[in-house]
Amino acid sequence: DGGITQSPKYLFRKEGQNVTLSCEQNLNHDAMYWYRQDPGQGLRLIYYSQIVNDFQKGDIAEGYSVSREKKESFPLTVTSAQKNPTAFYLCASRTFWAGAATEAFFGQGTRLTVV
Amino acid sequence: GENVEQHPSTLSVQEGDSAVIKCTYSDSASNYFPWYKQELGKRPQLIIDIRSNVGEKKDQRIAVTLNKTAKHFSLHITETQPEDSAVYFCAASNAGGGANSKLTFGKGITLSVRP
Repeated sequence: DGGITQSPKYLFRKEGQNVTLSCEQNLNHDAMYWYRQDPGQGLRLIYYSQIVNDFQKGDIAEGYSVSREKKESFPLTVTSAQKNPTAFYLCASRTFWAGAATEAFFGQGTRLTVV
Repeated sequence: GENVEQHPSTLSVQEGDSAVIKCTYSDSASNYFPWYKQELGKRPQLIIDIRSNVGEKKDQRIAVTLNKTAKHFSLHITETQPEDSAVYFCAASNAGGGANSKLTFGKGITLSVRP
């Protein structure tokens, strides 16, 4: 079954702890993205990666880090430097055909609660 | 960088009426404009997309129009049904390649269809 999988679905962490959210895709997509969704704020881009071992900061990268060691995996670490980490996190992936962008597919999301 | 604006934040229509959702973008290099629907508790899913080489695209009750000169694009839903109630996101992107693979979303609009 092809798709993009995020785990876990719910995550609770104590304030001051780093936490890593998993995102795996078996769609052979080149590009992967992390978004944060808060009520009334839409989907805000945290980090994105076009190829392995390369990634770019999005609009709200402060307090987050990523890695892209494998094409199918793009984990996101929420560090203690992120001042308001409680949110719904969505991972997405897509590919490009003949230089043209295609549909992005989303994972089911991870709801992170920091207490 | 790209900035996608989406207004209004909520829209309520009577079942059977049409709904129009408008978005503007800032980067003239953007050439791919997808629309996503997110039902409560679910992941966003693509409903229609348009590329900059066409002005309009239609798929059954859904259509999208693009005005490159004015940098705005709109989603049209005809004969609305209660199951159309959801959050709708517009997005803008250009062709792939490193930093150019960015996919920027608007803040979303909550559409309510009254039975």
